[in-house]
Amino acid sequence: EPEVTQTPSHQVTQMGQEVILRCVPISNHLYFYWYRQILGQKVEFLVSFYNNEISEKSEIFDDQFSVERPDGSNFTLKIRSTKLEDSAMYFCASSGNTIYFGEGSWLTVV
Amino acid sequence: KNQVEQSPQSLIILEGKNCTLQCNYTVSPFSNLRWYKQDTGRGPVSLTIMTFSENTKSNGRYTATLDADTKQSSLHITASQLSDSASYICVVSVMNRDDKIIFGKGTRLHILP
Repeated sequence: EPEVTQTPSHQVTQMGQEVILRCVPISNHLYFYWYRQILGQKVEFLVSFYNNEISEKSEIFDDQFSVERPDGSNFTLKIRSTKLEDSAMYFCASSGNTIYFGEGSWLTVV
Repeated sequence: KNQVEQSPQSLIILEGKNCTLQCNYTVSPFSNLRWYKQDTGRGPVSLTIMTFSENTKSNGRYTATLDADTKQSSLHITASQLSDSASYICVVSVMNRDDKIIFGKGTRLHILP
């Protein structure tokens, strides 16, 4: 079974700090995504990435967020100047015929 | 507006019983519909995927149905087990927009011994 892997699994950071969440998508997939899920709420779309550029982003994905595929395998989400309300589980996903999700990165902003 | 609505919001059943979860969507043009199982604190895991021409798809004790005319889908779980306790999320994709995926809010299923 192919896997999307994410690191770190948990991160606690102080408000105002920058955070980078890393993802290794499935190797032959072309679309990559970041989603977030605030505790007890639905999964929310942040951004999709195709052909080395953002193909769509939600209103949540403001200037505080950025994504990058620095080396052709990793796919990163950077959150600048974190806020308390950024505390959530962040899921990376990649798709071919089916979307596969990573196990998520728990981010707690204190 | 593209939307996916799921019902019920939560459901409690006894172990061994069957249950059916509902998903209604207004996504257009429709590409496919997926059901995911999400254990608490884990990433969603795909159960089934159905395209426009498919009416039913099974995965073990999980059977999904799709009525593309009424834009409704259901997920039937047979002989429930304690490990079925999870959130079940209906996800619909827009045709020709592989990056456009609409999530339902999920149904939280609790199986009691």
